[in-house]
Amino acid sequence: NAGVTQTPKFRILKIGQSMTLQCTQDMNHNYMYWYRQDPGMGLKLIYYSVGAGITDKGEVPNGYNVSRSTTEDFPLRLELAAPSQTSVYFCASTQGSSNEQFFGPGTRLTVL
Amino acid sequence: GENVEQHPSTLSVQEGDSAVIKCTYSDSASNYFPWYKQELGKGPQLIIDIRSNVGEKKDQRIAVTLNKTAKHFSLHITETQPEDSAVYFCAASEYNFNKFYFGSGTKLNVKP
Repeated sequence: NAGVTQTPKFRILKIGQSMTLQCTQDMNHNYMYWYRQDPGMGLKLIYYSVGAGITDKGEVPNGYNVSRSTTEDFPLRLELAAPSQTSVYFCASTQGSSNEQFFGPGTRLTVL
Repeated sequence: GENVEQHPSTLSVQEGDSAVIKCTYSDSASNYFPWYKQELGKGPQLIIDIRSNVGEKKDQRIAVTLNKTAKHFSLHITETQPEDSAVYFCAASEYNFNKFYFGSGTKLNVKP
């Protein structure tokens, strides 16, 4: 199993540009999450999904959108990038019965 | 919503000494408390967790204690080794796994 994979690893955006951060898991997990981690800070939940077709907002959803058309994929969309969205983004998944969250390697995004 | 506070933000110990990291939470509905280790450039990885019906859990050199009345839980690492050097995060969640709230992290440095 590859676990949780994220692409790209790094990206630089200009203010106002849009992009999609990709996340895929091959563990057949129902629950998937997007977090952002600012320097020296903990992880903040952006959006989460409890299954295909179901998504909900986390603590810091403004400026982001998600979709969950399949169990495996959970892309995160930034429509109008702002400097405040400069951060490292982590995708995670878990199967409800075991609790353990598996994290991807992260995407480092810089908005200039 | 839940608020998780973590102390200290940095901790430096000599190899072989013990390290203790403490977290408090605010929502009495939280009943699952994982600890994660994050190495440089990687996503967090679960190292130990505890549920609210248990007061203490141990796994080799790592232990976690939970005081539900006081709403705090702690990570204990004994006989620290240089490879324990990393950032450690605590988190709190309810059993439905929908939302995880993270502490701000503790950077542990184990000096050889």
